[in-house]
Amino acid sequence: NAGVMQNPRHLVRRRGQEARLRCSPVKGHSHVYWYRQLPEEGLKFMVYLQKENIIDESGMPKERFSAEFPKEGPSILRIQQVVRGDSAAYFCASTRTGGQTYEQYFGPGTRLTVT
Amino acid sequence: SQQGEEDPQALSIQEGENATMNCSYKTSINNLQWYRQNSGRGLVHLILIRSNEREKHSGRLRVTLDTSKKSSSLLITASRAADTASYFCATDISGGSYIPTFGRGTSLIVHP
Repeated sequence: NAGVMQNPRHLVRRRGQEARLRCSPVKGHSHVYWYRQLPEEGLKFMVYLQKENIIDESGMPKERFSAEFPKEGPSILRIQQVVRGDSAAYFCASTRTGGQTYEQYFGPGTRLTVT
Repeated sequence: SQQGEEDPQALSIQEGENATMNCSYKTSINNLQWYRQNSGRGLVHLILIRSNEREKHSGRLRVTLDTSKKSSSLLITASRAADTASYFCATDISGGSYIPTFGRGTSLIVHP
């Protein structure tokens, strides 16, 4: 009964490189949320996806960031041309469905360090 | 600005004591949730309380919600060293898209 899986757990990138973060939701869950967390801060919402559909991307920077959740396979958060300010922990969470408040199941996070 | 803000920022107590954390928010909500985060880990859901509920219990946890004051409290009774973690409240705004907004959290340390 696997929970939310994220990989890699740690990722180091040089400025200007691309970062790809993967999230496999709980089996049977069709909704995925991505959050960013800076040290000593709460989670900041980035994007909410359903399979093959972006529901809400109001928290995601307009440039360099993109997310997808294909019909098959994990959800991907992609950061192009990373900068030092992108260094953070990125968490994804999943719910079975949407349309009301549900308990979110969180992954262990990917810690991105940009050098 | 944050929809939910926890208070205090940090709390240090002895094992066996009770720990109380508060969360205040600004706009009307559908529901409020409390989560725990151990250092370096993802968040774990503790309790969801709906806007028409006033109190909820789960084991040693007690959550209250006062919609007139736009505040909630999380009480952990008979704390244990294993309760050491950060605690976050998350609210989703009434009429919104059910996306929870997290506060900055309360860091709880329980000394054995």
